Amino acid sequence: DTGVSQDPRHKITKRGQNVTFRCDPISEHNRLYWYRQTLGQGPEFLTYFQNEAQLEKSRLLSDRFSAERPKGSFSTLEIQRTEQGDSAMYLCASSQETPWNAAFFGQGTRLTVV
Amino acid sequence: DQQVKQNSPSLSVQEGRISILNCDYTNSMFDYFLWYKKYPAEGPTFLISISSIKDKNEDGRFTVFLNKSAKHLSLHIVPSQPGDSAVYFCAATGRGAQKLVFGQGTRLTINP
Repeated sequence: DTGVSQDPRHKITKRGQNVTFRCDPISEHNRLYWYRQTLGQGPEFLTYFQNEAQLEKSRLLSDRFSAERPKGSFSTLEIQRTEQGDSAMYLCASSQETPWNAAFFGQGTRLTVV
Repeated sequence: DQQVKQNSPSLSVQEGRISILNCDYTNSMFDYFLWYKKYPAEGPTFLISISSIKDKNEDGRFTVFLNKSAKHLSLHIVPSQPGDSAVYFCAATGRGAQKLVFGQGTRLTINP
């Protein structure tokens, strides 16, 4: 399968615990994005990598959130000291470099903080 | 500040008829627009896109129209099929923006 892969698909965690999600982009794509989607809303941008460089972070990405993309391949998104408000679908997408190409999304990781 | 707006939360269309989904944007710097389709518990799937140098783009049953002066785009699906029932998001981006800005989505239901 050559699509964007996310792991895990579902995560239930207790408030205050740390969680980490993984995203494997389409192999030839050098751009990788993280989005968050809550019920009834469209995906909201969190952060973006070009190769291994994190080029933009949304103000939604508080200090408890950190993302990495070592070696410009897969990426991880970590949330420390989770809060109930972190419950959402976390989406990863990848795309090729400009001229602008469509971003292709993975199936997402559904996080529930209890 | 909602830069991309889909003002219809839901739309119901009879199978075989045309579905028209609308989207408005406020940022004049946006020059590339996309439509995504999303099924429950899945990530959005890319459908069709349009650059601001065009006013229409077709792909099979899907056509996107762009009216730059009105800052409005629409997605036409004809004929509508039951498998088209999903949430549709429009998204926009601009030079140097690198990220997509999404609307809130419209839930399309195709009735047999």
